[in-house]
Amino acid sequence: NAGVTQTPKFQVLKTGQSMTLQCAQDMNHNSMYWYRQDPGMGLRLIYYSASEGTTDKGEVPNGYNVSRLNKREFSLRLESAAPSQTSVYFCASRKVGTGTNEQFFGPGTRLTVL
Amino acid sequence: KNQVEQSPQSLIILEGKNCTLQCNYTVSPFSNLRWYKQDTGRGPVSLTIMTFSENTKSNGRYTATLDADTKQSSLHITASQLSDSASYICVVRRSGNTPLVFGKGTRLSVIA
Repeated sequence: NAGVTQTPKFQVLKTGQSMTLQCAQDMNHNSMYWYRQDPGMGLRLIYYSASEGTTDKGEVPNGYNVSRLNKREFSLRLESAAPSQTSVYFCASRKVGTGTNEQFFGPGTRLTVL
Repeated sequence: KNQVEQSPQSLIILEGKNCTLQCNYTVSPFSNLRWYKQDTGRGPVSLTIMTFSENTKSNGRYTATLDADTKQSSLHITASQLSDSASYICVVRRSGNTPLVFGKGTRLSVIA
């Protein structure tokens, strides 16, 4: 039971390049999330998927696209990377239902855009 | 506006000492409050989750309190260890399937 996994761990891009960050969870969770974390700021929600087949914008969606490939996988795509997208990206998942529905985070992807 | 404010921003304590971190929130309607620990270079890990009716919850040397009337929470760490050095993030969930509201965290450094 690996929990939430993310690939890659580190990535350096040049301005204008594209890339996809991968996320997978093996906990049979309904909802999945993409966050970015910048120094001195709290985690900010980019996009989320409340359930398989649905995606919604979060607080900072500009410059990103997402795909909920199946119940396990939720990818984040940068079509044309910009230096402002230099950040640490975290994927998370949770099971929606009764109870407190804890959110579990992946280890993060550290992205630098030059 | 739904916000979570944490204090202090950073804290340095000696190994073995106790400390208390504060969290004030204006999130409404309230569902639950969580404290996460985030080690450097890792994702956040949940320490405690408290609902409206819970005043205190412990997890080993970590004790969280919640005052839903004043919208304040605290995280008390007893007999600190070097491994407690991390960022501690207060997070509040609103009712319904809505996104979490995150504080900016308190950076704790425990030194020998």
